[in-house]
Amino acid sequence: AQSVSQHNHHVILSEAASLELGCNYSYGGTVNLFWYVQYPGQHLQLLLKYFSGDPLVKGIKGFEAEFIKSKFSFNLRKPSVQWSDTAEYFCAVIPLSSGGSYIPTFGRGTSLIVHP
Amino acid sequence: DAGVIQSPRHEVTEMGQEVTLRCKPISGHNSLFWYRQTMMRGLELLIYFNNNVPIDDSGMPEDRFSAKMPNASFSTLKIQPSEPRDSAVYFCASSLREERGEQYFGPGTRLTVT
Repeated sequence: AQSVSQHNHHVILSEAASLELGCNYSYGGTVNLFWYVQYPGQHLQLLLKYFSGDPLVKGIKGFEAEFIKSKFSFNLRKPSVQWSDTAEYFCAVIPLSSGGSYIPTFGRGTSLIVHP
Repeated sequence: DAGVIQSPRHEVTEMGQEVTLRCKPISGHNSLFWYRQTMMRGLELLIYFNNNVPIDDSGMPEDRFSAKMPNASFSTLKIQPSEPRDSAVYFCASSLREERGEQYFGPGTRLTVT
């Protein structure tokens, strides 16, 4: 079975620091990739997604992610974090198969705390 | 669209009682997912439906858990009997096949079993 690894479980940063959250997956075929964000007490919301094309994708709120196929990675980045970025971040991977079902596997999540 | 709607938002019940969680997906979406989120286990997929048909329920932890989707606009997740270890936040999400897996989550139901 495929797996999604988010190696950073907890990240603590000060405002204006740069952020990079790792995401690696085990599936060898074509995949759709997502990052979701969950603000405290809220539901998961889409941050950005990658299907094909330019491996550097930009999402909302200044976030971006880079797909590196050779490394099976889809790391999330933001050059300068804000206090309001404090949240849980989830990477999700959907392997594309002939069955056509889009079933995601989520990573365990990374808790980001940004100090003002 | 109002988004995915879940009810109740909070549920506190005693061990042994039946609990029913409800979900209304976004109109027109053809897939529906039930997840459970805990600190210990993270986000777990319990079951998903495609066009109202249960496709994979391998994530359902025990026979005490059951889910139905009688029509395209309503789904339930039932726990009978409930146990303290079922305490978690239960999320419902829906998706549209044409959007290639992007999921829209509901606000969740926080379940506490005492």
